[in-house]
Amino acid sequence: AQSVSQHNHHVILSEAASLELGCNYSYGGTVNLFWYVQYPGQHLQLLLKYFSGDPLVKGIKGFEAEFIKSKFSFNLRKPSVQWSDTAEYFCAVNARNNNDMRFGAGTRLTVKP
Amino acid sequence: NAGVMQNPRHLVRRRGQEARLRCSPMKGHSHVYWYRQLPEEGLKFMVYLQKENIIDESGMPKERFSAEFPKEGPSILRIQQVVRGDSAAYFCASSPYGGDREQYFGPGTRLTVT
Repeated sequence: AQSVSQHNHHVILSEAASLELGCNYSYGGTVNLFWYVQYPGQHLQLLLKYFSGDPLVKGIKGFEAEFIKSKFSFNLRKPSVQWSDTAEYFCAVNARNNNDMRFGAGTRLTVKP
Repeated sequence: NAGVMQNPRHLVRRRGQEARLRCSPMKGHSHVYWYRQLPEEGLKFMVYLQKENIIDESGMPKERFSAEFPKEGPSILRIQQVVRGDSAAYFCASSPYGGDREQYFGPGTRLTVT
């Protein structure tokens, strides 16, 4: 079964800093990849997803992620964060044609104004 | 189009009581998933259901836990004889596709067992 690792538990940045959150997975087959965000007091929302095609995926609110198959990675990036990006970010992996979506433990991002 | 609804948002139960958590999927979604989140951990898959069928319950504890998604009404996650270790946030997600596609999450139910 697949597993997901998010290396950073808590990241603190100042506004306008660049962001990169790491996500690695372990699974030998084809996968679908997701990033979800949970703003304080709210439910999880889909930020972006990768199924196939261009490995650089653009999501909402200026976020993007790059799938590097050789590294089993799907890192999330944003060139310039805002205070409103303060949230918890979850990477998720689902083996193709499987019902079992696996989530990482999450990375809490705090953006200081 | 209303999102995924879960109720109650907070539930307190004493050890040995039963907990019933409800989930109404988004309109048009016939696939429902339940997850559990323990403190400092990610979401753990529990069960995947379609209307009247359990498709995958590989993440469900073998005892005390059950789930259903009847033809009419919400999906129910039932925990019998709760113990302190059941205290967690339980999230429901729905999807129109099923399987390996994106899911839409509800606000969660926070269960506290005293």
